[in-house]
Amino acid sequence: EDQVTQSPEALRLQEGESSSLNCSYTVSGLRGLFWYRQDPGKGPEFLFTLYSAGEEKEKERLKATLTKKESFLHITAPKPEDSATYLCAVQAMGNNDMRFGAGTRLTVKP
Amino acid sequence: GAVVSQHPSRVICKSGTSVKIECRSLDFQATTMFWYRQFPKQSLMLMATSNEGSKATYEQGVEKDKFLINHASLTLSTLTVTSAHPEDSSFYICSAMLNTEAFFGQGTRLTVV
Repeated sequence: EDQVTQSPEALRLQEGESSSLNCSYTVSGLRGLFWYRQDPGKGPEFLFTLYSAGEEKEKERLKATLTKKESFLHITAPKPEDSATYLCAVQAMGNNDMRFGAGTRLTVKP
Repeated sequence: GAVVSQHPSRVICKSGTSVKIECRSLDFQATTMFWYRQFPKQSLMLMATSNEGSKATYEQGVEKDKFLINHASLTLSTLTVTSAHPEDSSFYICSAMLNTEAFFGQGTRLTVV
């Protein structure tokens, strides 16, 4: 069965303090790994899709990387507006649905 | 990116009544949409896959007679929570696939009193 585990569960950073969020996964043939940002009371907002090991994508202060077992979301010099829950999800080959991790709640203090 | 609109954003209903939630893809056609449920501080749990023109596929443990899904057109899927009870109170989110990306609605906060 496909599984997605995110760590840490919660992360508190000072503004400007860089860090990384982890997403470990097991899937029977990876079609894609997705990162989303979710603000309280709202639906997830798409950030990145990664398809193969070694792939990296960047957007502003965020950078996502992928290996055969895990993905990292690196946050460089975060700002308070980066505070949100970051969700990781995997999609298996032959499937359209996604399995989500529990998320990492990020709080960035000014 | 593509836009998925979900309505209503919040609804309060009395125990025993039914509630319908709509999910629309505004600028693309979606043959497949997904319905998720999310409890506080937990992740999204897939409830069912909605297929245009055919029956929905429900995940194990999800009561298909309680959570009725209709995907009558390529831009609209509806989730009806029948005979709602307080334990059905939750955040319901839909998504639609465009190519290989999933775009999510804003979510519906259902409170059953």
